[in-house]
This record gives sequence, C-alpha cells and structure tokens, in this order.
Amino acid sequence: DVKVTQSSRYLVKRTGEKVFLECVQDMDHENMFWYRQDPGLGLRLIYFSYDVKMKEKGDIPEGYSVSREKKERFSLILESASTNQTSMYLCASSFGAPSGTSEQFFGPGTRLTVL
Amino acid sequence: AQTVTQSQPEMSVQEAETVTLSCTYDTSENNYYLFWYKQPPSRQMILVIRQEAYKQQNATENRFSVNFQKAAKSFSLKISDSQLGDTAMYFCAFMNRRDDKIIFGKGTRLHILP
Repeated sequence: DVKVTQSSRYLVKRTGEKVFLECVQDMDHENMFWYRQDPGLGLRLIYFSYDVKMKEKGDIPEGYSVSREKKERFSLILESASTNQTSMYLCASSFGAPSGTSEQFFGPGTRLTVL
Repeated sequence: AQTVTQSQPEMSVQEAETVTLSCTYDTSENNYYLFWYKQPPSRQMILVIRQEAYKQQNATENRFSVNFQKAAKSFSLKISDSQLGDTAMYFCAFMNRRDDKIIFGKGTRLHILP
C-alpha cells in the first residue's frame, strides 16, 4: 500500500514563527504536492514538485516556500506564520506520466493553528 | 483555465437509499482524467473512482458509479445502497494529462442517516 505520512496531525504556532511541515512517501513517486483545505474553498494547490530539487508554484504560493532535497520528502515552509495561514494542510504524491495512472495519494493532513 | 463546480454543498439521505452527487467542469482539453475523492471525518482522503476522458464507458467500483457526459462536461457520482460509512466530504476533481495537476471542486458534504 502507498503510504504518505505527515510529521504532525496538529500544530499550534505563534505569529511570526517559522514553521516546517514535512511529508514523506514510500512509493518512489516523482510528483509531490502541497494543498491547503479551507471550509467552502475545497483544496487549493500551494506548490508542487515533479522531481528532486524541482518546484513549481501552485495557485496560492504567497507566504510559503518548499524544499525537495530527496525524492521521498517534500517540505512546506512558512517563513513567518500569520493567522490567515491557519488551515488544514494536505500533502499528496503521484507517479509522473507516462508510468502512472495519475491518481494522487494523500497524507492524513496537518491542522495548523497560528495564534 | 479549468474549473470544477459542485453545486450541492451538503446532502443527507437515509441509509440504503441511492444518492447522486453532481459535478460539472470546464476545459478546452481533450485528454484528461476525472476523479471522485472521499474524505471521511478526521480521516485520510482516498480515491473513490476514476474516469479517463477517452473512454466512453462509465466507470464503476462496486456500489459507486459515474455518469460521464463528455459533451455536457458533467461527471456525477451515484452511490447505491448507501451505508453509514459513506458519510464523508466528496470532492470532484479534474486533471489534464499534460501536467499531472489536479483541480478540485469545493466539495459536497454527504450525511448518511440511520
């Protein structure tokens, strides 16, 4: 079974803190994604990566950065957390074309609260 | 730009009934996937069903089936003999084959009532 894990289920941080959210997948997937999920807004793509050291901006990258130093790990960084970044953060991974079926596998999510 | 619209924010049905969740999308692409994902309360998002746009036959997975109308850009999910465990948020999603990115609808919260 594909497994995508995230470092924390719940996280509470203070405004201005630097926050690291870690995601690890064990299926040798090329693609990895970070989303935020907010009520009434669905899932919105923050950043994604097609390969090690590669990153692409999604729809809402402002206030975030990412790092992918190893294929299995994709980190989301909030350089200076703000209250409007309080949200559920979901990580996902998938095989890249043409080898995969394009299904994304999701982690359990990290519920981040910024005070 | 592609968009995905789910017009039903919330639905409730009795256990054992059949329920249909609506989804429409907009794209100029011809080669794409459509998905329905399920997110149970406090649990991980999982794939329910997948449809490839070039396949005319509607996808089916046990009690879950889709009605894919390509010309109308409609992709509804039918759940037959609904069970309490079907209670979840359901997301319709679109992916074009060029970049592996998925665009999600805003979701439909489905309650199965005992």
